[in-house]
Amino acid sequence: AQRVTQPEKLLSVFKGAPVELKCNYSYSGSPELFWYVQYSRQRLQLLLRHISRESIKGFTADLNKGETSFHLKKPFAQEEDSAMYYCAPPYSYYGNNRLAFGKGNQVVVIP
Amino acid sequence: ETGVTQSPTHLIKTRGQQVTLRCSSQSGHNTVSWYQQALGQGPQFIFQYYREEENGRGNFPPRFSGLQFPNYSSELNVNALELDDSALYLCASSLGSSGAINEQFFGPGTRLTVL
Repeated sequence: AQRVTQPEKLLSVFKGAPVELKCNYSYSGSPELFWYVQYSRQRLQLLLRHISRESIKGFTADLNKGETSFHLKKPFAQEEDSAMYYCAPPYSYYGNNRLAFGKGNQVVVIP
Repeated sequence: ETGVTQSPTHLIKTRGQQVTLRCSSQSGHNTVSWYQQALGQGPQFIFQYYREEENGRGNFPPRFSGLQFPNYSSELNVNALELDDSALYLCASSLGSSGAINEQFFGPGTRLTVL
């Protein structure tokens, strides 16, 4: 089964500082990996997906197939980035439209 | 466009009872996935329904079962409830089935407490 590791449960950063959330997964035959975010009192929603190669809200994610990592980065954190972030690679090797989630990173941006 | 809705919002049951949770998928979506999120954990995949048939299952026992209806809404049934079933149950709808992974749109969840 897919194993997803997000090592830092809680990450506190000052506004304007860089933020990096680490994610390692065990395998993926699909190029699709995702980061989902949950803001306070909101539902889980898509932040970004690897295949689109977009920068969303200043966040980017680098896929390293050799290291099976998909780290999320933002150069300058904003207060509105305070949220719970989940790395989500495919649940199974062939994708099949279902996801495995890590335990999540709680990000707190200090004004 | 209507988003994913779930009912009820909260539910309290006792051990051994049975529970049914409901999900209405987003307009135009034909796939529903159910996840269990225990406190402090990420969502764990339970199973997925595509066009009224189960289309994959996670590591959950058979007492977790489901249905999908012609309008693509879905139910999650849990029999013989155990204390460890206490969790937030999330429903996510998407378009498509196998192969590519499409964006999943999540509902607000149903908080189940088993006493």
